[in-house]
Amino acid sequence: AQKITQTQPGMFVQEKEAVTLDCTYDTSDQSYGLFWYKQPSSGEMIFLIYQGSYDEQNATEGRYSLNFQKARKSANLVISASQLGDSAMYFCAMSPDLNYGGSQGNLIFGKGTKLSVKP
Amino acid sequence: DVKVTQSSRYLVKRTGEKVFLECVQDMDHENMFWYRQDPGLGLRLIYFSYDVKMKEKGDIPEGYSVSREKKERFSLILESASTNQTSMYLCASSVSGTGGAYQETQYFGPGTRLLVL
Repeated sequence: AQKITQTQPGMFVQEKEAVTLDCTYDTSDQSYGLFWYKQPSSGEMIFLIYQGSYDEQNATEGRYSLNFQKARKSANLVISASQLGDSAMYFCAMSPDLNYGGSQGNLIFGKGTKLSVKP
Repeated sequence: DVKVTQSSRYLVKRTGEKVFLECVQDMDHENMFWYRQDPGLGLRLIYFSYDVKMKEKGDIPEGYSVSREKKERFSLILESASTNQTSMYLCASSVSGTGGAYQETQYFGPGTRLLVL
């Protein structure tokens, strides 16, 4: 079964330091997409970054980068220069291969990591 | 920027009431989704729609129905609200895959926190 695992329920980081949030995935699909979302206490899920399984370069988006290691099936999120506003829940998600039975609605989420940034 | 709006941020209803949660997106997306989010259970898909008047059941459709009469609007209906439907409800939308192998990014609304008493 396809699955996303986020092993860190909670993490602390000092303001201005970098932090890595772990995400491993389990799939036998050849093609898949990986996403990271941020959910502040207000509740909205904010899209941060995306990586396709065939993308050779790691995705970057401002202070966010995705450390994609396909052989290890990991897609860690790196936040550089943490800010107080980065304190939130972070979710890793995966879209399975639509050509092999995956559904348009079937975005698989991890349980999330709560990041707290200390001043 | 993609904008997904939900009709209410907070809602309090009584058991047995019929509840409508509305979601509107302004990016002409084909796909729209309803999730509920509960502590310890994560996000679970209730229903999604890939076109007007089309719908598909997600993981937990029981007790819910949906309506999509216009492309930009997707409604979630609780026919007879129960206390176990107290939850955070999140709507999302995405473009249809352009022939690619996996779906496009889903963009979420601000969420509706529903309390059923």
